[in-house]
Order: sequence, then C-alpha cells, then structure tokens
Amino acid sequence: GIQVEQSPPDLILQEGANSTLRCNFSDSVNNLQWFHQNPWGQLINLFYIPSGTKQNGRLSATTVATERYSLLYISSSQTTDSGVYFCAVGATNAGKSTFGDGTTLTVKP
Amino acid sequence: EAEVAQSPRYKITEKSQAVAFWCDPISGHATLYWYRQILGQGPELLVQFQDESVVDDSQLPKDRFSAERLKGVDSTLKIQPAELGDSAMYLCASSSVPQGRGEQYFGPGTRLTVT
Repeated sequence: GIQVEQSPPDLILQEGANSTLRCNFSDSVNNLQWFHQNPWGQLINLFYIPSGTKQNGRLSATTVATERYSLLYISSSQTTDSGVYFCAVGATNAGKSTFGDGTTLTVKP
Repeated sequence: EAEVAQSPRYKITEKSQAVAFWCDPISGHATLYWYRQILGQGPELLVQFQDESVVDDSQLPKDRFSAERLKGVDSTLKIQPAELGDSAMYLCASSSVPQGRGEQYFGPGTRLTVT
C-alpha cells in the first residue's frame, strides 16, 4: 500500500514564529487532507487539498501531486496551535485513506 | 453545524469482557469509517461501510471485532473478548463521497482502556 511520511516528527517554536510541516507519499493520490488533533483527541479538518494551494487565515497548504508531497504552513504561531498535525492520503487505485504518524507541534509563550 | 456523534467518550473494561462503541454519522453521509489510533501513531482504518455494506474490513481482527450498520445510518463496533492490546482511541468518520475520496469528518472518539 501507499507509504506516508511526515516530517519533522517533533517541532518546538516560540509564539509568533512560522513553521512548515511536510507530508511525502509514495504513490499517486486523489485525496489528501490535513488535520489538527486537539488534546482531547478530536481530529479537526484543516484542508482538503489533493492538489493546488489553499489558505485559511494563518494557515495555508500546498500539494504538488506530481512530486508526491504536501506542505502545511503555519504563520505567526500561537500556543493554541499546539498539538499533532496529520496528513491523510488516498491512493488513486485504493478506496481508503492512509494516515502518516503526525508532527507534534509545541508552541511556547 | 452537523457533526459525527460517538458514545461513550471513555470506556474502561477488564480483559475478556465485551465492549461496544456507537457512531452516528453526519446526516446524509453514506460512507462511514471506523479507525483505531494507538498512542503516538496515526489512525488506522478498521472497517469502511457504504450504506449498510462493508466495502473494506481487511484490517479488522475478525476473531474478536465485529461491526454493523444495519439500516445504513448509525453503526456499532464491538470487541469480544477485549485484550490489553486493544487499549486505544476508536474514531468514527463519515463522508458524502464513497471509496476514500472526498473529505472525511471525524467524531470525538472513544478512548478505551483495557485492564
């Protein structure tokens, strides 16, 4: 099946800093989502982005499907951005999504 | 705003006991997923329904796990007997688009502890 690798595994920032999270995948995809998991375990939808670029406030994402990666940008980070960020991808020839192991972001005040 | 509902939120059970989790997807969503998330890892798909039919249960440990969606709306995931290694977060998601395509929306999850 498709392999999904997220980097870095852990990231520590000071409040106000910018960050880039990466998701690499091993096959062509027709589905890609970014999620933020809050401390209670709920997965919050950030972006549905199988290709192209989207922005939502301080967050933006870009997927370059031909090169098999997606990037999540967080600008002017806040302590509430802390948590685990997951990408989930659906291979074109598969009927399901596969999650990476996540990036744990800690934003210090 | 429509949400995926799950209950219970937390469950503590002894090994060898039976346990069941319930999920109610967003109204109108024909596709329903059950995932298991072990601490420190990403969610892993256990079973996928399209309406009342199972379309993927390749990762479901069928000797002890069962899942049903009798009327194509809400769903129940059961474990019998529970083992210590089943301690995890169980997440339900739904989508209006079938076969893993389209956006998935997750419920709050059920955190299971087996003692």
